Amino acid sequence: GNSVTQMEGPVTLSEEAFLTINCTYTATGYPSLFWYVQYPGEGLQLLLKATKADDKGSNKGFEATYRKETTSFHLEKGSVQVSDSAVYFCALNLGNNDMRFGAGTRLTVKP
Amino acid sequence: SAVISQKPSRDICQRGTSLTIQCQVDSQVTMMFWYRQQPGQSLTLIATANQGSEATYESGFVIDKFPISRPNLTFSTLTVSNMSPEDSSIYLCSAGGGLNTGELFFGEGSRLTVL
Repeated sequence: GNSVTQMEGPVTLSEEAFLTINCTYTATGYPSLFWYVQYPGEGLQLLLKATKADDKGSNKGFEATYRKETTSFHLEKGSVQVSDSAVYFCALNLGNNDMRFGAGTRLTVKP
Repeated sequence: SAVISQKPSRDICQRGTSLTIQCQVDSQVTMMFWYRQQPGQSLTLIATANQGSEATYESGFVIDKFPISRPNLTFSTLTVSNMSPEDSSIYLCSAGGGLNTGELFFGEGSRLTVL
């Protein structure tokens, strides 16, 4: 079936550390891929997206590249800040807004 | 992007009661959805709210427990009926389709605690 698997958390980093959160997917078609972020007490916000192979989504210093050959969409940031502490969800959309979410990865950044 | 407003943002409810959550989108959207997020968990789709017809429910969710209305292209409600502590969750409204981008936009969620 169609699904998303992402790195289990929690992840704890020091400020200015490099971040990678792994995400792989299984899909029967050609999905669009997304990263959403959920700050404490809030709903989900779209962080970035990629709609086809080799596309790179980027926003607020975060990046992820759609890798069809490895069915991956890993989230990276070169230097995290305390304000990046949140839960990050990888997701895929197979069309007709059939959105599938990963389990979420909680990131805590310490000063 | 679409701005989605939900209310109430949180509530504490008694067992056996029902609560209706409202969702308002600032633009007309084709698709609206209701998700549940149990504590520390990911999102689970409850149903697709269809304008002018009955909602489409996912496996494990039924209309009697989660009746949904969608009277127009910008508004929907979700009722959580006959609540039990197991219904304590965040309920999220989302919208997509017609936005030409594939992503969903989310409200800030309604955090329900059932005592």
